[in-house]
Amino acid sequence: DGGITQSPKYLFRKEGQNVTLSCEQNLNHDAMYWYRQDPGQGLRLIYYSQIVNDFQKGDIAEGYSVSREKKESFPLTVTSAQKNPTAFYLCASSIDLGIGELFFGEGSRLTVL
Amino acid sequence: AQSVSQHNHHVILSEAASLELGCNYSYGGTVNLFWYVQYPGQHLQLLLKYFSGDPLVKGIKGFEAEFIKSKFSFNLRKPSVQWSDTAEYFCAVKAPRAAGNKLTFGGGTRVLVKP
Repeated sequence: DGGITQSPKYLFRKEGQNVTLSCEQNLNHDAMYWYRQDPGQGLRLIYYSQIVNDFQKGDIAEGYSVSREKKESFPLTVTSAQKNPTAFYLCASSIDLGIGELFFGEGSRLTVL
Repeated sequence: AQSVSQHNHHVILSEAASLELGCNYSYGGTVNLFWYVQYPGQHLQLLLKYFSGDPLVKGIKGFEAEFIKSKFSFNLRKPSVQWSDTAEYFCAVKAPRAAGNKLTFGGGTRVLVKP
């Protein structure tokens, strides 16, 4: 089945540690996105990528980094510079950036202790 | 700042009641509008979308939404809810290119349908 796979589903880390969340898609979509979901705040865009080797900052990129070395993969690193990293992280993809219809993964819940 | 507002954070209603969730956005120009739903334990999925044409859009599971351009609104409705409609609902707006061509989400509305 085609879809988006995020891993791990749950992750616990100590303060000061970087952590990388994986996102893989087999939908052959060009565009990929990372959102952060917090209660009452909806989804906020962290980074997005239109094509391989290109990505753009979203609304809350500070403390995060991404790479897009392959079309299928868009990993997100939550660095120690992110002041409030505990959150639910959602990866999504779309056919291209011009299409607003997104397909989402099941999410990764990061808890920083 | 450009934004998407959902008026209700929580809605509790009984089965067979009617549901209406408000969504307003602040972008000018042509926009694409979406409602996404997140059922408990499941991933976000598209409920319905509006790009152009008839402002009354029908989606899956009996949901519909009406685009009122003059009010910058895209409210979601369902005439008679079921217990299985318990979920969190998100309105989203795809801004024009001038505003970054991004999809911006509202804060979400948690709907609890009591059996």
